[in-house]
Formats: sequence, C-alpha cells, structure tokens
Amino acid sequence: DQQVKQNSPSLSVQEGRISILNCDYTNSMFDYFLWYKKYPAEGPTFLISISSIKDKNEDGRFTVFLNKSAKHLSLHIVPSQPGDSAVYFCAAKYSGAGSYQLTFGKGTKLSVIP
Amino acid sequence: NAGVMQNPRHLVRRRGQEARLRCSPMKGHSHVYWYRQLPEEGLKFMVYLQKENIIDESGMPKERFSAEFPKEGPSILRIQQVVRGDSAAYFCASSLQSGRGPYEQYFGPGTRLTVT
Repeated sequence: DQQVKQNSPSLSVQEGRISILNCDYTNSMFDYFLWYKKYPAEGPTFLISISSIKDKNEDGRFTVFLNKSAKHLSLHIVPSQPGDSAVYFCAAKYSGAGSYQLTFGKGTKLSVIP
Repeated sequence: NAGVMQNPRHLVRRRGQEARLRCSPMKGHSHVYWYRQLPEEGLKFMVYLQKENIIDESGMPKERFSAEFPKEGPSILRIQQVVRGDSAAYFCASSLQSGRGPYEQYFGPGTRLTVT
C-alpha cells in the first residue's frame, strides 16, 4: 500500500527545456511535502518543500505545485541543466503530534540531455 | 563539514555477523532518523531518536535490529545476525526540531551494507 506514488520511473528532457516530475499521494492526513534529489552513492539532498496551506512554492529554477483536491504535486525545473540529472524523490509528512517520519515515493530518474 | 556524517560508507558482513552503523547529526540538530533503501525502492522509515530516547521505532523490524543515540557520541544502528535480505543502503537524517516544523530532514551519504 504505497501512500506516495511516483508513477514515472524515468524522464528524459532536453537541456534548457522544462522538467516536470509528478507525485500522487493517497493519505489525506499528509499536509507537508518535500522533494529530494539524489545522485548515485550519495544521500538525498533536500530541494524544496510546500505546506498544504499553499498551492505553490518557488525557489530559483525549482517550483512545486500542490493540488490538494487531486492529492497531486509536481516539481517543475526550468530551465533544465545537465547537472539536474539525478533521481528525484517526493516525500510526504503529517505534521500532527506523534508523527515524525517522511514517507517516500520510489523516485523518478531524470536525465537532462545536453 | 557541518553535514550529517555516516560511517562506514561501505560495510561487508557474512551471514550471522553483526553490523554497526554510525551517524553523527548536523551541528545543532538533536533529532535523528534512520531510513533503509532497498534496490529500486524509495527510502523506508525505520526509527526516530532524540538524545537517550527512542521516540518512534514503528519501522524497525521486531528482531535483530536496534538503535540508540547516547548522550555522548553518534547514533548507532545495530543489526545482529545479518541475513542477505539486510543488504541495503542505510541512511541517517537529522532535523532541527520535529514537533512544530520546519520538517526538513537532512541526510547523510549512507552506509551500503552487503551481506555475503
């Protein structure tokens, strides 16, 4: 019972174009969402987060959109650069008392082609 | 380097041996989390600790696995009598606080455990 789903295992994008990575969740208790980037043989690196009280958060080339009614979020990277090639994980959290863990999707491998 | 530190980076154990994985959180962080990543999978939560306390171990296997975060020194994830299915990447994360946010957790480079 995957509570956070990233249905695209991989994505290829031309350098300079927009990359859109998608994530769906099933647990309506989740109210905080994070994106992490991971290179091979390294730990995940925090990219950007969004609280459920917002529907958009932007940080430089990275924007996360949240659609609560659809239980869907997406990460937009524009313009995409070769250094963005990595595995991207979506993670979700319930911010209420007694909840500490992040629940991760399986990841989407992004390849940015020069 | 003020990031999360883990050692060893790679650990090879034979079936039946013990594995000890260490994690030092980021400076100023007192909350430590352990996650496990199996091949082709996302990270799965194992345990959350504060100094000298296990707060949530709902993701830990009931047998052979234990974790601690002593008053002094790093957090330790201990796996006794390892089996081949324990082969995975084990990641430690730390955060500034847990209850009221921000909720971002910062990860170390991981320990890759191989059981032969």
